[in-house]
Amino acid sequence: NAGVTQTPKFQVLKTGQSMTLQCAQDMNHNSMYWYRQDPGMGLRLIYYSASEGTTDKGEVPNGYNVSRLNKREFSLRLESAAPSQTSVYFCASSKRLAGGVYNEQFFGPGTRLTVL
Amino acid sequence: DAKTTQPTSMDCAEGRAANLPCNHSTISGNEYVYWYRQIHSQGPQYIIHGLKNNETNEMASLIITEDRKSSTLILPHATLRDTAVYYCIVRVEGDYKLSFGAGTTVTVRA
Repeated sequence: NAGVTQTPKFQVLKTGQSMTLQCAQDMNHNSMYWYRQDPGMGLRLIYYSASEGTTDKGEVPNGYNVSRLNKREFSLRLESAAPSQTSVYFCASSKRLAGGVYNEQFFGPGTRLTVL
Repeated sequence: DAKTTQPTSMDCAEGRAANLPCNHSTISGNEYVYWYRQIHSQGPQYIIHGLKNNETNEMASLIITEDRKSSTLILPHATLRDTAVYYCIVRVEGDYKLSFGAGTTVTVRA
């Protein structure tokens, strides 16, 4: 199993450009997450998807949109990138059991984004 | 979720046990203690979690005090590859949220 994969690994954008970060998992998990991590700080949740067909805002959703394409894939879109969005972006997935219980999260390797 | 307090950094010698403390004095009865670690430039990795009993797996042991106000993660035989930032997180089992603080930067020295 590849686990959680993310593309691209690195990206440089100019202010105002748009891009989509891709995430896929092969563990048959139903819940997926997008986090950002700024230098020297912990991770902050941007959006999450409890199950296919649902998405919800996390702690820092402004400036981002997400799409849960299918059970495997969860993408994050920056419509008009800003320098404040320079960060490392991590995707994660977990299994959501009956009754709404979430197991531990598995993380991808990250996408390092710089906005000039 | 209850907040946690961890030391900013600590060193340990290769081959020795590393004991990482975490204070969570406001923990509620239905909140679990989770530990994750993040090796440089990688995504966080789940280590272990527990409610009130001590837990052990292939990676580490988790010791939770009887009053549940603090816990210790033990890496029994630290290696250079255990150098990482270790996060102690308290959350209700089943809550989707993981709130990452600053963690403890652990450096294992040869």
